[in-house]
Parts: sequence; structure tokens; C-alpha cells
Amino acid sequence: EAAVTQSPRSKVAVTGGKVTLSCHQTNNHDYMYWYRQDTGHGLRLIHYSYVADSTEKGDIPDGYKASRPSQENFSLILELASLSQTAVYFCASSHREDTQYFGPGTRLLVL
Amino acid sequence: GQQVQQSPASLVLQEGENAELQCNFSSTATQLQWFYQSPGGSLVSLLSNPSGTKHTGRLTSTTVTKERRSSLHISSSQTTDSGTYLCAIDLNSGTYQRFGTGTKLQVVP
Repeated sequence: EAAVTQSPRSKVAVTGGKVTLSCHQTNNHDYMYWYRQDTGHGLRLIHYSYVADSTEKGDIPDGYKASRPSQENFSLILELASLSQTAVYFCASSHREDTQYFGPGTRLLVL
Repeated sequence: GQQVQQSPASLVLQEGENAELQCNFSSTATQLQWFYQSPGGSLVSLLSNPSGTKHTGRLTSTTVTKERRSSLHISSSQTTDSGTYLCAIDLNSGTYQRFGTGTKLQVVP
């Protein structure tokens, strides 16, 4: 069974603070993704990566950075957290054009 | 505009009834997947169906690529089927997928 883990599972952050969300996969997948989910918007892609040390912008990259230091790890960084970034964040991994396997999600509350 | 539209937005069924969920997309797609999100939030892939008809268990998906639509049929619904069903389309020739906003299904006893 494919495995994607995320940490932390929930976090409360202050406006203007730095937040790092981490994702680890043991699937040997080349693609990794970060999504956010908000009520009424479904899942929206923030950043993705298809190889270590390289990241690509998704549909809503503004205010977020991503880092892929290895094939297994993919981080999402909010340098200056804002209220509008309160959401649930999901990480996923896949082979190209293949089924995505999702992590359990991280609930982020920015106050 | 919305590139992946799902309907209905929500649906309530009696246990045992069938459900028909729709997904319409604005561009040609090389990959289409249906996902299930549990009430607790976890996401799992149900099936991948870029064209034609596919079955798995009580689920049947039919995708008509030329008409840019896909459906997911759930037969003999159970209370454990309750959750949100998401359609995802690969609109960039394999780069990544875009998701619809989902259909929230509630199956009552």
C-alpha cells in the first residue's frame, strides 16, 4: 500500500509568521503535489514537483514556496502566513499520469 | 470559468437506491480519475477512466471523451458510501490534474 505522511497534522499560526508543512512518501514516486482545500473550491494545486531539487507552480502559487530536497520529501513553506491561508492542505504523490495517493491532510489555522 | 464542473452539488439517498454523479470538463483530457473523500477528510482514488466504461465493485464510470463528460454510478448505495466524490481531469497533457468541487453524497438508513 502506497504511503504518504504529513506533518504536522494540525497547526495554529500567527499572521506574519513562517509555517512549514512537510510531506514524506515511501512510494518511490517521481511526482509530488501540494493542494489546499477550502469549502466551495475543492482541491486546488499550489506547487508540484517531478524531480528532486526542482519545483513547479500550480494554479495558486502566490504566497507559497515549495522545496523538494529528495525524492521522498516535499515541503510547503508559508514565509508570511496570512488569514486567507487558513485551509486544509493535502500532499500527494504519483507516477506521471498515474493514480495519486494522498496524505491525511494538515489543518492550518492562521490567527 | 470552472474547468471541471460536477453535479449535483449534493445528493441525499435512501439506502439501497442508486446514485448518478456527473463530471463535465472544458478541455480535452488524457486522464480522468474519480476520488472519494470521507467525512473525516481522507482522500482515496476510486478508479481511473479516461474513456469508455469501467467497473469496480458497485461503481461504474462512463466517460465520453468527445462530449467532455464522465459519470459515476453507484449501485445499491450504503450508508458507508456517504462522503464527497471528486472528479479530477488532466488538462495539461500529463502535467497535473484539476479537481471539481465535488458531489456530497449522504445515504440515510
